[in-house]
Amino acid sequence: TQLLEQSPQFLSIQEGENLTVYCNSSSVFSSLQWYRQEPGEGPVLLVTVVTGGEVKKLKRLTFQFGDARKDSSLHITAAQPGDTGLYLCAGAPGGTYKYIFGTGTRLKVLA
Amino acid sequence: GAVVSQHPSRVICKSGTSVKIECRSLDFQATTMFWYRQFPKKSLMLMATSNEGSKATYEQGVEKDKFLINHASLTLSTLTVTSAHPEDSSFYICSARDPLDSFYTFGSGTRLTVV
Repeated sequence: TQLLEQSPQFLSIQEGENLTVYCNSSSVFSSLQWYRQEPGEGPVLLVTVVTGGEVKKLKRLTFQFGDARKDSSLHITAAQPGDTGLYLCAGAPGGTYKYIFGTGTRLKVLA
Repeated sequence: GAVVSQHPSRVICKSGTSVKIECRSLDFQATTMFWYRQFPKKSLMLMATSNEGSKATYEQGVEKDKFLINHASLTLSTLTVTSAHPEDSSFYICSARDPLDSFYTFGSGTRLTVV
């Protein structure tokens, strides 16, 4: 059972377009992290959201944590080819230390 | 910041042999480390939780006799793929949590190819 479902799985868009990636769960998370991963490398942390309803901005990336802390979203404004990669949400459900990843969203931004 | 070193980054081995992958926390002590497996173009799947000084906790469907985990010190966990088969070929990543903060730090991964 995958506790963290991401949608969409794949996304191919043109440079300059906006997009949103969703991360959903039936479990409550004390915090959620978003990562980006390049092929053959470990995931790189983008942000941590902790408070329900929290919104964090990182340049063109906006992250939101759901009020109930069961879901999160990542919005990218004016996507660039350099945004191409695998985006992963992750967290430890139910306050445990078992750290799991979402199903992943593979983004390709075309120039 | 916290750094996790994973070695080797790439390894090719013959079917039937065993391969050991090391995961070290360089500037912090980690009582818990995690081992993940990643198939091409897929997300990271948690294989097991490595606990210092005790047995690892394996996820459902992961063969504990095939994927031996040893966490003998607070800075080192090892994953040994025993009697490797081509289907064990994958990207393996470890992570560790610095108990002083809430971040999980990842190794750079090991690409295992079994021929």
